Amino acid sequence: SQTIHQWPATLVQPVGSPLSLECTVEGTSNPNLYWYRQAAGRGLQLLFYSVGIGQISSEVPQNLSASRPQDRQFILSSKKLLLSDSGFYLCAWSRQGAADTQYFGPGTRLTVL
Amino acid sequence: GDSVTQMEGPVTLSEEAFLTINCTYTATGYPSLFWYVQYPGEGLQLLLKATKADDKGSNKGFEATYRKETTSFHLEKGSVQVSDSAVYFCALLERNTPLVFGKGTRLSVIA
Repeated sequence: SQTIHQWPATLVQPVGSPLSLECTVEGTSNPNLYWYRQAAGRGLQLLFYSVGIGQISSEVPQNLSASRPQDRQFILSSKKLLLSDSGFYLCAWSRQGAADTQYFGPGTRLTVL
Repeated sequence: GDSVTQMEGPVTLSEEAFLTINCTYTATGYPSLFWYVQYPGEGLQLLLKATKADDKGSNKGFEATYRKETTSFHLEKGSVQVSDSAVYFCALLERNTPLVFGKGTRLSVIA
C-alpha cells in the first residue's frame, strides 16, 4: 500500500529565515505530487505540482519554490520567510495518467514569528 | 474555469441529526467529484468519490450522488455523531488539471 510522509510536523521560524519542508511517497512509482497551503480558517490553495523529476508547475507567484530531486520526493523551500507564509502545508500525490484521486499527507504546521 | 461552491458554515448539529452539506460545481467537461474530510490538526482524508453521472459514493454512513442535471454533489448522513465534527471539502477533478476545492464547511456535532 502507498503511504505519504511529511516532516517536520510542526515548525516555528523567525521572519527572514530559510525553509525546507519535505514530502516523500512510498509504494508507488512516478506519482504526480502537489503542495497546498491552508491558511487559518481558510480553504486550500494549490502552490505547486509536479508530474515528474525536475518538472514543477507553479500556481501562485510568491517567495516559495519547490523541487523534485527524486521520483518520490518533493521539497518546498523559501530563502526568506514572511509572516504571511504561516499556515498548514499539505503534500499530496496521485497516480499518473487519467484524472485520479489525490491522497494527502499529515501536514506541516508552520508558524513564522 | 472550473469551480466548486459549498454551503458556508459553520454547521452545528445535535448528535443523531440528519446532515446535508450542499456542493455545486462548474466544469467544462465530465469531472470526477470528491468529498474530503479534515479532522482537527490533520491532513485531508478521502471520504468518498464518484466518477460519472448518477454514481453514488458512500463511506462511513456518508453518501453523495453525482447529479449532472443540477451539477451537484451534496453530502448527506442520516445520523451524525460527535466524532464526525470536522471540516468537509468538496472537490472536482478533470483530466490533466489539478484538483479544484471548495472552501470547506466546518461541522460541529454536539452531544
